[in-house]
Amino acid sequence: GENVEQHPSTLSVQEGDSAVIKCTYSDSASNYFPWYKQELGKRPQLIIDIRSNVGEKKDQRIAVTLNKTAKHFSLHITETQPEDSAVYFCAASKAGNEKLTFGTGTRLTIIP
Amino acid sequence: GAVVSQHPSWVICKSGTSVKIECRSLDFQATTMFWYRQFPKQSLMLMATSNEGSKATYEQGVEKDKFLINHASLTLSTLTVTSAHPEDSSFYICSARTDTNYGYTFGSGTRLTVV
Repeated sequence: GENVEQHPSTLSVQEGDSAVIKCTYSDSASNYFPWYKQELGKRPQLIIDIRSNVGEKKDQRIAVTLNKTAKHFSLHITETQPEDSAVYFCAASKAGNEKLTFGTGTRLTIIP
Repeated sequence: GAVVSQHPSWVICKSGTSVKIECRSLDFQATTMFWYRQFPKQSLMLMATSNEGSKATYEQGVEKDKFLINHASLTLSTLTVTSAHPEDSSFYICSARTDTNYGYTFGSGTRLTVV
C-alpha cells in the first residue's frame, strides 16, 4: 500500500519567515495530494490540495509543489504568522482507492 | 458546504463496556465513510472504510470484531468500540468523500477515554 513520509517532524521559524514541509510517497498511481492543518483536539482542516496534472498551486501565502517523477510534494508558507502554529499533515490518495494515507505530521511553531 | 456531524465529542467509559460513535452527513449523501484513530502526537491512521449497505473493509491489524462499523444509510455511519480497554483510549474521527473531485469532509472527532 501507499506510504507517505513527512519531514521535518518539528519546525520553528521566526514570524515573517517562510516554512517548508516536505513529503514523499511510494505509490506512483497516487494522484491527489492534500495538506491539512490540525489544532489540538480539532479536526484536520484542508488548507490546500494539488492533483497530479499540475506541478504547483498557490493560494495567498500558501503554495504546494509536486514532483511526480521524484514522488515528492512540498508545502510552502510565506510571511508566517503566529496563527500558523499548528500540526500540518500531508496525505495522498489515488483514483479507484479513495482512502487517504497521511504523513506523520509536522509541528510548526511560529516564534513572535 | 458539506458537513459531517460526529457525536459524542468526548466520552469516558469503564473497561469492558462498549461505546458507539456516530457520524452523520448533514447535507450530502456519504456513500463511503472512513474511520481514523489518532493517538496523542501521532498521525491519523485509517482503521476501516465503510460503504453504505455493505460490510466494512478493515485495515491490517484492526480487529473487526472489536471495532464494529455499520453504514446502514447514506447519511449515517457508526463505529462501536466493544469491550473497551484503556489502550483503546484515543481520538476517533470519521471522514466522508463529498464529491468526485476528491473532496473529503471530516467529523469533529470523538475523544474516548477508557478507565
